[in-house]
Amino acid sequence: DADVTQTPRNRITKTGKRIMLECSQTKGHDRMYWYRQDPGLGLRLIYYSFDVKDINKGEISDGYSVSRQAQAKFSLSLESAIPNQTALYFCATSDPTTTSTDTQYFGPGTRLTVL
Amino acid sequence: LAKTTQPISMDSYEGQEVNITCSHNNIATNDYITWYQQFPSQGPRFIIQGYKTKVTNEVASLFIPADRKSSTLSLPRVSLSDTAVYYCLVGDGATSGSARQLTFGSGTQLTVLP
Repeated sequence: DADVTQTPRNRITKTGKRIMLECSQTKGHDRMYWYRQDPGLGLRLIYYSFDVKDINKGEISDGYSVSRQAQAKFSLSLESAIPNQTALYFCATSDPTTTSTDTQYFGPGTRLTVL
Repeated sequence: LAKTTQPISMDSYEGQEVNITCSHNNIATNDYITWYQQFPSQGPRFIIQGYKTKVTNEVASLFIPADRKSSTLSLPRVSLSDTAVYYCLVGDGATSGSARQLTFGSGTQLTVLP
């Protein structure tokens, strides 16, 4: 969905480096999410934010941190990257006022490789 | 948490109707059922959502029996481009706590053959 953008689209880094993945949206949604997907597996929720002042841990938050700089921006950081954080990362947004329950709109993904 | 169970994979031929069933035995009263489609290296895309009985849109139909312990996504006359992973999610998404429980599981890999 072009309304949700992620940068960078691809990143290769080394173990121990700090990495930031950025997500921006023009949908005007209050809710934003970060997921990771490993090959052949479903998506797992890392962090989510229901508004600018609300940050919540998801299923697999260890090793990650987030920042909600504005309604439109939600960044995911890996403070010290490790190889098992190699995965495809997706950002998503939702607005429960416009759908029955929180239909999520996903960005194109960031492919991260940690060597 | 309403856990869902789906077949790991399904094969079909072009032009056939495909039905993918999802089991959610402990669905809660406020929970909706939502299906997403994901192509390789792309984010999931919303297909359809329902609470009970039948819902139909331009892409698919969703059948939900009275007990709501399962649901069936129906794709009419599939084409090669329908080859994707299909996820069934159950939840109300209304509260912060329920969002924490969101899980896409492994989904169902649908392969449409010529």
